[in-house]
Amino acid sequence: NAGVTQTPKFQVLKTGQSMTLQCAQDMNHNSMYWYRQDPGMGLRLIYYSASEGTTDKGEVPNGYNVSRLNKREFSLRLESAAPSQTSVYFCASSRPRGPGGYEQYFGPGTRLTVT
Amino acid sequence: GDSVTQMEGPVTLSEEAFLTINCTYTATGYPSLFWYVQYPGEGLQLLLKATKADDKGSNKGFEATYRKETTSFHLEKGSVQVSDSAVYFCALSVAYSGAGSYQLTFGKGTKLSVIP
Repeated sequence: NAGVTQTPKFQVLKTGQSMTLQCAQDMNHNSMYWYRQDPGMGLRLIYYSASEGTTDKGEVPNGYNVSRLNKREFSLRLESAAPSQTSVYFCASSRPRGPGGYEQYFGPGTRLTVT
Repeated sequence: GDSVTQMEGPVTLSEEAFLTINCTYTATGYPSLFWYVQYPGEGLQLLLKATKADDKGSNKGFEATYRKETTSFHLEKGSVQVSDSAVYFCALSVAYSGAGSYQLTFGKGTKLSVIP
């Protein structure tokens, strides 16, 4: 049981290049999320997917697109990278509605630098 | 909107000292409350949670009590160790009507350094 996995771990892009960050979970969770973490800003939600086939914008969606490929996989795409997108990106997943709180489980992160 | 405010760091303590990290929240609904911990170079891990008023979450010697009257969820540990050095995030989640997922709202994090 690997939990939430992310690839790649590190990436350096030049301004204007594109790339896709991959995320997969093996916990049979319905909901998946993409966050970015910047110093002094905590975590900010970029996009989320409540269930397979649906995606919604979070707090900071500009410059990003997402695809919920199937129940396990949720990818984040940068079409034209900008230096402001230099950050650490975390994917997370959570189980369906139920008792006991709705905690999210996080992947190890992708550290992205845009030069 | 919903928000979480936690004490700014960094916090530096000696080993075996008492730890308190303050967290207060505002929410339009009835939130569940969480503390996450992030060790250097890693993702966030759930440390503890509480889902209703007066619940106490606990794990690894850490505790936090859901106080609805003061809208607080302060994290405490009686005797910290060097291995507790990490960034701690307070977070809340509210299940809004019709929502299929439960977004987390995070505080900005508090960095704790424990020195021998």
